[in-house]
Amino acid sequence: DTGVSQDPRHKITKRGQNVTFRCDPISEHNRLYWYRQTLGQGPEFLTYFQNEAQLEKSRLLSDRFSAERPKGSFSTLEIQRTEQGDSAMYLCASSPSIGEQYFGPGTRLTVT
Amino acid sequence: TQLLEQSPQFLSIQEGENLTVYCNSSSVFSSLQWYRQEPGEGPVLLVTVVTGGEVKKLKRLTFQFGDARKDSSLHITAAQPGDTGLYLCAGEEDSSYKLIFGSGTRLLVRP
Repeated sequence: DTGVSQDPRHKITKRGQNVTFRCDPISEHNRLYWYRQTLGQGPEFLTYFQNEAQLEKSRLLSDRFSAERPKGSFSTLEIQRTEQGDSAMYLCASSPSIGEQYFGPGTRLTVT
Repeated sequence: TQLLEQSPQFLSIQEGENLTVYCNSSSVFSSLQWYRQEPGEGPVLLVTVVTGGEVKKLKRLTFQFGDARKDSSLHITAAQPGDTGLYLCAGEEDSSYKLIFGSGTRLLVRP
């Protein structure tokens, strides 16, 4: 399968713990995006990378959130000191330089 | 801030019926994409429309982009239970290519 993959698919953590998610984009896709989706809503943009450079961050991305794409391939999204409001589906998407975005299956985070 | 409003939010219809989902904005988008999402999964791309007035067909699904590139519609003919799911429209911003999503239309097609 050559689509976008995300790991883990599900994560349950206690409030205050740190979590890290991984996204592997489609090979040769330059752009990588992170979105967050809460129940009953459409996805909301968090941040995106052009190769290894992080070019835009949403105001939704507080100081507790950090994303990296060190070699321009896979990306990680870390949430520090998780809060119950962080519970959501975290989606990763990739696209060629100009083109449609293809989404991964998402990571469902539950903060208890 | 660009916003996309989708309507209706929920739709429950009988198999064989037709339906239309609307996606409206006061802003212009460079393109508009339609996705379908199953519970617990990521959105799956159905189609991208780019040109004002463009119409694209995908089997029983017809997608239209408004002339001013501010609105779009999805029409399904003779809906089937397999069409059940969450339909999302997403507009692409010129500056960063990030997507602005509508809140979705949840469709249930009853056998």
